[in-house]
Amino acid sequence: DIQLTQSPSTLSASVGDRVTITCRASRTINNWLAWYQQKPGKAPKLLIQEASSLESGVSSRFSGSGFGTEFTLTINTLQPDDFATYYCQQYNDNWMFGPGTKVEIK
Amino acid sequence: EGQLLESGGNLIQPGGSLRLSCAASGFTFSTYVMTWVRQAPGKGLEWVSTISDTGFSTYYADSVKGRFTISRDSSKNILYLQMNSLRADDTAVYYCAKASRVRGFLDAFDMWGQGTMVTVSS
Repeated sequence: DIQLTQSPSTLSASVGDRVTITCRASRTINNWLAWYQQKPGKAPKLLIQEASSLESGVSSRFSGSGFGTEFTLTINTLQPDDFATYYCQQYNDNWMFGPGTKVEIK
Repeated sequence: EGQLLESGGNLIQPGGSLRLSCAASGFTFSTYVMTWVRQAPGKGLEWVSTISDTGFSTYYADSVKGRFTISRDSSKNILYLQMNSLRADDTAVYYCAKASRVRGFLDAFDMWGQGTMVTVSS
C-alpha cells in the first residue's frame, strides 16, 4: 500500500503569511493527488485535484504542485478563513489520506 | 447544486450491526462512483469503502473488510453501508462522498455529506 506523510503536522502562521505544506508518497502516484481543507465539525472540502488543478470557486491564493512522490500545497496571503486542517489524498492506488496538517494562528 | 445527506448513525454495543444511508440529490447518482470515509474523534480521515457507478464492483479498507458491505440503490439515489461486528475502533463520523468525474473510478471526492456519528460502546 502507498503511504502518505505530511509535513509539518502543525503550522503556526499569521494573517498575510505565505505557507507551504508538503505531502510525500511512499512510491510514485503520478499526479493523482488531491488536497482538502477541513474545519472543525465540518466535512472536508476539495481544493485541488490532479496535484495542481484548482477546483471551481476555490480562491486562487491556493495552489498545488508536484509529481511522482513529492507534492506541495501553497497558500498565499493567509486569510482568517484559511485556519483549518489540510489533508492530501492519493487516488493512484485505491484511496488514502495523509495524516493532516493543522494551520493555526500564531 | 448537489447534496448528500447521511443518516443512521447511533450508539451501538460492540458486536452489533448498523446500516448507514446516504441520500443523494441534484446530480445523476447512477453515473458516479461513491465512497464512505470515516473520521475517528480527533483523528484524520480514513477511506472505508467505494462502490462503482454500476454497483458491480466494491472495494474495502483492510480494517473493515469482511465486516462492512457497501451497496447502492440507484432507483432511490441512496448509498448504503452495512456495518456488522462493530468494534470500539469503528467509532467515528462517517461521511459519504462523490467522485468528481462521471464514471470516474480512481478520483478525488468533490462532494461530501455532513456526516453521521457512529459510537460503538457498551
